[in-house]
Parts: sequence; structure tokens; C-alpha cells
Amino acid sequence: AQSVTQLDSQVPVFEEAPVELRCNYSSSVSVYLFWYVQYPNQGLQLLLKYLSGSTLVKGINGFEAEFNKSQTSFHLRKPSVHISDTAEYFCAVTRNNAGNMLTFGGGTRLMVKP
Amino acid sequence: DVKVTQSSRYLVKRTGEKVFLECVQDMDHENMFWYRQDPGLGLRLIYFSYDVKMKEKGDIPEGYSVSREKKERFSLILESASTNQTSMYLCASSPRYTGELFFGEGSRLTVL
Repeated sequence: AQSVTQLDSQVPVFEEAPVELRCNYSSSVSVYLFWYVQYPNQGLQLLLKYLSGSTLVKGINGFEAEFNKSQTSFHLRKPSVHISDTAEYFCAVTRNNAGNMLTFGGGTRLMVKP
Repeated sequence: DVKVTQSSRYLVKRTGEKVFLECVQDMDHENMFWYRQDPGLGLRLIYFSYDVKMKEKGDIPEGYSVSREKKERFSLILESASTNQTSMYLCASSPRYTGELFFGEGSRLTVL
């Protein structure tokens, strides 16, 4: 069975500081990995995805993530955060060989302070 | 702009009532999903449909049913609502063989 662990439920950070949101996974099928962001009172939108190829993936809004197969991790990073990055972030992994079903982590709430 | 539309943003129902949550997508996607979102638990899959009239149970199907009579519409039904079904419900769709989900804005259901 697949599982996703987001190690931090909340991450407070000051504006313009760097941030890393951690994600570890376990999976018995081919791995596709995703990060989604949820702004207050909205649905989720895709931030970035890893399907194959380069292990460093760049997404929207200056975020990037690195796929580390040996450590089964897919941590999300941004070198300098803005107030507008305040949101909840979800890591997800494919749960079947068809690649069309996901298992989500519990989410990390990023709180950017002025 | 691609869109997944959920019929109600906020609902308040009483215990024992039948509840319908409707979801429509305009992207001609094969797959549609219903998730439940609770604090600290992330998103849990209730039901999944990969084609019209086809459905599969997810992780927490008990107390729920679904209907997909048309490709663009996927309905979640609570036959007899209970207070432990108070939650945020998220609908999503995706093309057939990709995990990239497109989400609606959610329906927050309160059962009293």
C-alpha cells in the first residue's frame, strides 16, 4: 500500500526567508509524485509534478522539489517566500500502476509572517 | 479556463436527511473523484469513477454512494447523513492515465 507522510503539520516562516516542506512516501508501484497547494476557501491546484527524468522539478510561483529515490522523499522548497504563499500544501503519490489514483499526505500549513 | 464546478459551497443538513452533492467538469475527462478533507487527515478518497456508470470504492466509502450517468457529472449521495459526515467534500477530475487532478472549490457540509 502507498502512504505519504508530511512531517510538519505547520511551518511558520518570515517573509523573504527560505522554506522547505518535507514529504516522505512509501509505494509498491511506479512512482509519480505531486505537490498541490490550497489557498483559503479554495480547492487544490497543482504546484508541480514528477513523472520521470530530471529529479529536480520546477513548479509555479518559484517552488521546486527534488525527487530522492533512495530516501523516498520529495521535499518542496522555495528560496524566498511571500505573504501570498500562505496556504496548505499537500504531497501526493500515485497508488496504482495506471497512475490515475493518488494517495495524499496530511498537509502542511505554511504561515508566512511579515 | 478548465473548470470543475461543485453545486453548493456550503450546506447545513439534519441527521438522517438524504444529501446530494453535484459535480460537473467541462474538460471531457474520463476520471472523476470524490474526496473528503478533514484537518490533519489530508484528503481521503471516497469513490472514483473511470467511465460513465462505472465506479470503484475508495478508502472510506461507507455511508456514501455515487452516480455517474453522464461523463461530465459525478454525484455523491449521503443516504442518511450523520454528524460524523460533517466535512469538506472535494470533487476532482483527471484525464485517463495521468494523476494530475483538477479540483472544484469544495462543498462544506455541516450535519446537525
